[in-house]
Amino acid sequence: KAGVTQTPRYLIKTRGQQVTLSCSPISGHRSVSWYQQTPGQGLQFLFEYFSETQRNKGNFPGRFSGRQFSNSRSEMNVSTLELGDSALYLCASGPLMAGGQDTQYFGPGTRLTVL
Amino acid sequence: AQSVTQLDSQVPVFEEAPVELRCNYSSSVSVYLFWYVQYPNQGLQLLLKYLSGSTLVESINGFEAEFNKSQTSFHLRKPSVHISDTAEYFCAVRRNSGTYKYIFGTGTRLKVLA
Repeated sequence: KAGVTQTPRYLIKTRGQQVTLSCSPISGHRSVSWYQQTPGQGLQFLFEYFSETQRNKGNFPGRFSGRQFSNSRSEMNVSTLELGDSALYLCASGPLMAGGQDTQYFGPGTRLTVL
Repeated sequence: AQSVTQLDSQVPVFEEAPVELRCNYSSSVSVYLFWYVQYPNQGLQLLLKYLSGSTLVESINGFEAEFNKSQTSFHLRKPSVHISDTAEYFCAVRRNSGTYKYIFGTGTRLKVLA
């Protein structure tokens, strides 16, 4: 069974631009979560989606948005990029709606560098 | 609200020596506890988890962690480390229902020395 796929793996953008990151969950998984990982702030929760509905949102500005499609693939978008948005963005997928004793599986991440 | 504290940001240890990575948590609701490992330029891999039952949980590669409710701790141990265990280790909590949202600690960088 293929794991969680994130594209692209690496991305370089300049300040003010916008970026879209993609996550394809494990086949059959319907829940997708996103995290931002930086050396200063560690791993911070961004969003959680299930069946195209955002179920949870972290404490990030409105420049960060996301969505989930009917095939469970998810995208996150960051508009008006700032230097501080440079980070590893991790996606995780889970089999069911939420919680319980299920395990979420993380993808390899997208490394975003903002110049 | 939940929080996770990993007091040790870096732990150097010689190969074949034992190691303990400390994790304390705080939560007003019931949570599950996890340890994840991250190798350079990779995502997170689940090492082990405590959901319920026996307070001692083990991974397939020799790590174990013990849930201590009274001390709100979930320390990770390995009796004999290998060079290949060099990585960053994250402790995390998650509510036991309603969400997949993890609260992560700041991580402990384990460096195994030859």
